[in-house]
Amino acid sequence: QVTLRESGPALVKPTQTLTLTCTFSGFSLSTSGMCVSWIRQPPGKALEWLARIDWDDAKYYSTSLQTRLTISKVTSKNQVVLTMTNMDPVDTATYYCARMHPSSLGFEYWGQGTLVTVSS
Amino acid sequence: DIQMTQSPSSLSASVGDRVTITCRASQSISSYLNWYQQKPGKAPKLLIYVASSLQSGVPSRFSGSGSGTDFTLTISNLQPEDFATYYCQQSYSTPRTFGQGTKVEIK
Repeated sequence: QVTLRESGPALVKPTQTLTLTCTFSGFSLSTSGMCVSWIRQPPGKALEWLARIDWDDAKYYSTSLQTRLTISKVTSKNQVVLTMTNMDPVDTATYYCARMHPSSLGFEYWGQGTLVTVSS
Repeated sequence: DIQMTQSPSSLSASVGDRVTITCRASQSISSYLNWYQQKPGKAPKLLIYVASSLQSGVPSRFSGSGSGTDFTLTISNLQPEDFATYYCQQSYSTPRTFGQGTKVEIK
């Protein structure tokens, strides 16, 4: 059974760095074809893809946010970590991690999401 | 980046209706198009992948079609549990991109 769970601070101040952790089970990120993405959703708005890390440590980022994002994995702990620097109130959103199916390429499994509010 | 545009942004429909949502890509994405359903406070749920394949466990009243730049999600015989927001997403290239969503509301 595949599960993912996001964790991190609920509140960050402007200019601070956000660190989110996705802890997953039911698969290994060392298995060929596996990858995990981060996706966010501001309140009442659409989904926005942020970043992805693959089993071979390949990394991909949103064009508009790539200078602020870093994604990494700790394979032994079944974790994927996302850091976002210089947080701003417009970054207030629910942040999801999701696993892409290696064949269908759809986001088949999602975490429940974690709401991050950026406010002083 | 590939831009995804959905229409309409919202619609009102009744139980039993047939509903169609369209998604257009800014360039050809072959059949690399997925559809998701999202209910308030919940994570999105994958409904359709590669344009027309039904995800396991998803009712057959959901169907998808299209290729290239134009795609359609159809819900036949709309049920009360189908009132939600629907998103398309391209998996042709990275960065992945989503449409802006279509909210299906009760008439």
